[in-house]
Amino acid sequence: KNQVEQSPQSLIILEGKNCTLQCNYTVSPFSNLRWYKQDTGRGPVSLTIMTFSENTKSNGRYTATLDADTKQSSLHITASQLSDSASYICVVSVGNGGATNKLIFGTGTLLAVQP
Amino acid sequence: DGGITQSPKYLFRKEGQNVTLSCEQNLNHDAMYWYRQDPGQGLRLIYYSQIVNDFQKGDIAEGYSVSREKKESFPLTVTSAQKNPTAFYLCASSMSGRGLAGGRDEQFFGPGTRLTVL
Repeated sequence: KNQVEQSPQSLIILEGKNCTLQCNYTVSPFSNLRWYKQDTGRGPVSLTIMTFSENTKSNGRYTATLDADTKQSSLHITASQLSDSASYICVVSVGNGGATNKLIFGTGTLLAVQP
Repeated sequence: DGGITQSPKYLFRKEGQNVTLSCEQNLNHDAMYWYRQDPGQGLRLIYYSQIVNDFQKGDIAEGYSVSREKKESFPLTVTSAQKNPTAFYLCASSMSGRGLAGGRDEQFFGPGTRLTVL
């Protein structure tokens, strides 16, 4: 069964600190992995998209890593800000790139950044 | 929200009523999608459309219907047959159906509609 699991479920950090969110997936065949940020009551916004051959990708203070061998990804947030408070969703695309591909969504990690 | 609008933001429905959620995009994207988000669960695909006048069922299509008469519009009707319709509904679009197909096509999401059944 294709699954995407995220940890921790929730996290509280102080402003200015760094944090790392984890994503483990069991899908086949893997196509790409995406991280989204979703503010409360809003739609998700894409942070990164990584294919099999990409190990790391950055978007400002967000850095995503991908280990295709262990089927793990992480999202590292540097120097957190209050505006980083949101749910972070890991999404894996399954398939060979054809019309039958589908997206598998994780349940998200809820991050709260406190002053 | 990337040129995708959803309305209304909040919607209340009495049991037995059909309601229609609006989704409009001005990104000239071919593909559009409807998802449902429930607490503690990942987004689940309801319907998707890769081209005008064509749409496909997703994983949880029962109790829902859609139409795609125009490229920029993809309304979702929640019918009385949907047993548990209270949820947050998200519309998305991508440049082509390869957004679903796993290419690098990014899916852009709207701001969502929260539907509550009274």
